[in-house]
Amino acid sequence: ELKVEQNPLFLSMQEGKNYTIYCNYSTTSDRLYWYRQDPGKSLESLFVLLSNGAVKQEGRLMASLDTKARLSTLHITAAVHDLSATYFCAVDSLIQGAQKLVFGQGTRLTINP
Amino acid sequence: NAGVTQTPKFQVLKTGQSMTLQCAQDMNHNSMYWYRQDPGMGLRLIYYSASEGTTDKGEVPNGYNVSRLNKREFSLRLESAAPSQTSVYFCASSESGGAPLYGYTFGSGTRLTVV
Repeated sequence: ELKVEQNPLFLSMQEGKNYTIYCNYSTTSDRLYWYRQDPGKSLESLFVLLSNGAVKQEGRLMASLDTKARLSTLHITAAVHDLSATYFCAVDSLIQGAQKLVFGQGTRLTINP
Repeated sequence: NAGVTQTPKFQVLKTGQSMTLQCAQDMNHNSMYWYRQDPGMGLRLIYYSASEGTTDKGEVPNGYNVSRLNKREFSLRLESAAPSQTSVYFCASSESGGAPLYGYTFGSGTRLTVV
């Protein structure tokens, strides 16, 4: 059974600081995704990581993938208040003959001025 | 804008009532999914439809049924609602043929409360 675990689950940080969210998964994956969710809203796609060693950056967010360690990281550089949200990683894998997306629990990020 | 449309956005049901959540996509995607989101648990897959004419159970299917009406539409039915089904429900769609290169597109969600 594919399991996806994120840590930390809650993160409160100061503006201007750097931090990393970790995403571990238990079995071979085809793709790894990072999503952002604002309160009461749907999921916004941030990154799609396709292969080992993949690194993608958008503004103050950078995501990487290590398929050998089954680990992805979402790094936040010089955090700003607008990045406050819940971040999910999700792993796409062929399970019982069908492609399925399995989510981590989410990391609720609060950035304080 | 193209995407996934869910209706209704909010619903309150009494225990034992039934209802159908509607989902439609206009991206010509073959695969569609229903997830529920509960606090602290991420999103969990209820049912999915890999292609028109097929449906299968996900991680938490009990208490739900689905219908893939055509390529565009995938509905989720609660036959006899229970308080444990209070949740936010998301519909999603994706390209077919293996892991979608461009990911999954999610609807805006249906916030369901069962009292």
